[in-house]
Amino acid sequence: GQNIDQPTEMTATEGAIVQINCTYQTSGFNGLFWYQQHAGEAPTFLSYNVLDGLEEKGRFSSFLSRSKGYSYLLLKELQMKDSASYLCVLMDSNYQLIWGAGTKLIIKP
Amino acid sequence: GAVVSQHPSRVICKSGTSVKIECRSLDFQATTMFWYRQFPKQSLMLMATSNEGSKATYEQGVEKDKFLINHASLTLSTLTVTSAHPEDSSFYICSAKGGESHYEQYFGPGTRLTVT
Repeated sequence: GQNIDQPTEMTATEGAIVQINCTYQTSGFNGLFWYQQHAGEAPTFLSYNVLDGLEEKGRFSSFLSRSKGYSYLLLKELQMKDSASYLCVLMDSNYQLIWGAGTKLIIKP
Repeated sequence: GAVVSQHPSRVICKSGTSVKIECRSLDFQATTMFWYRQFPKQSLMLMATSNEGSKATYEQGVEKDKFLINHASLTLSTLTVTSAHPEDSSFYICSAKGGESHYEQYFGPGTRLTVT
């Protein structure tokens, strides 16, 4: 079967850097996504990794290690608007999305 | 970029009534649409996958007679919650996928359903 683990909640300070980790187990893999979701809104796409390594996009970077079943989302220069839930999402061998429970990120001034 | 709309954004209905939620892809043809449900502080749960012109595929535990899905055109899918009960109160989100890409999925803004 498939399983996704990520911390339930994290707290960070405005202007700082935070890393949100995600570990997964799956029998088939077609990529890993990170989504951001503000309360009461639909998720918005942040990143997609299918090969090992780091993908950088502005203040956000995402890393993948397929052999370790591990990914992280790195947020730099944190802003108050970054307070949201961050969802680690696996795409399985059937191209179906398996959603993690999400990490609620709280940014403090 | 691709835009997906949902209507209504919020709806309150009485127990026992039916509610229809529309999901439209505004600037692309959606060959596949997905319906998700999200309870407070929980992740999205896929309810069903619908392909234009064919019957929806429901996830285990989702009652197809209660959650009617119609994907009549390449730009419109509807979800009807029949005989709604308070426990159906949730955030319903649709997403749409077009073309051959497997990973380009575009989300609607969601519909907040409250059943009293």
